[in-house]
Amino acid sequence: KAGVTQTPRYLIKTRGQQVTLSCSPISGHRSVSWYQQTPGQGLQFLFEYFSETQRNKGNFPGRFSGRQFSNSRSEMNVSTLELGDSALYLCASSTGTSGGSETQYFGPGTRLLVL
Amino acid sequence: AQSVTQLGSHVSVSEGALVLLRCNYSSSVPPYLFWYVQYPNQGLQLLLKYTTGATLVKGINGFEAEFKKSETSFHLTKPSAHMSDAAEYFCAVSDTGFQKLVFGTGTRLLVSP
Repeated sequence: KAGVTQTPRYLIKTRGQQVTLSCSPISGHRSVSWYQQTPGQGLQFLFEYFSETQRNKGNFPGRFSGRQFSNSRSEMNVSTLELGDSALYLCASSTGTSGGSETQYFGPGTRLLVL
Repeated sequence: AQSVTQLGSHVSVSEGALVLLRCNYSSSVPPYLFWYVQYPNQGLQLLLKYTTGATLVKGINGFEAEFKKSETSFHLTKPSAHMSDAAEYFCAVSDTGFQKLVFGTGTRLLVSP
């Protein structure tokens, strides 16, 4: 089975721009979660989508948004980029049907650099 | 709110030595606990997890962890370190009904020949 894929792998943007990152989950998985990883704040949960609906949300400003399509692929968008948004963005997939005990499978991440 | 604490941002061992990475959780009820490993420029890979049942959990690559409710701990061990174990290790906790992982700050394992 193919793993979680994320595109693009690397991205450079300037302050004020917006960016869209894409995540394709493992086939059959309906839950996609997004995490931000920075040296200062570590790994932080952004949001989770299940069957095209946002089911959980972390403590990030409204500039961070996401969506999920009928094929379970997910995108996250960051508008009005700030220098502090430079990070590795990881997505993870799972079936989404077993609650917190379920393993989340992570993609390789998209590394975003904001100049 | 759930949280985990990983003691030691860096741990150095010699090849063949015991690996011990510490994780303590904060929860009023037994949580679900995970250990993930991250190699440079890669995502996270699950090593093992504790949900219910046996408190000694065996994972991949010879790692294991023991859930100790009385100590609120879930330390990761491996009897004999290998050079390929050098990576960053994250302990994480999740709540019963949610797909949200709360991670510790990570421990970088350095293995010397």
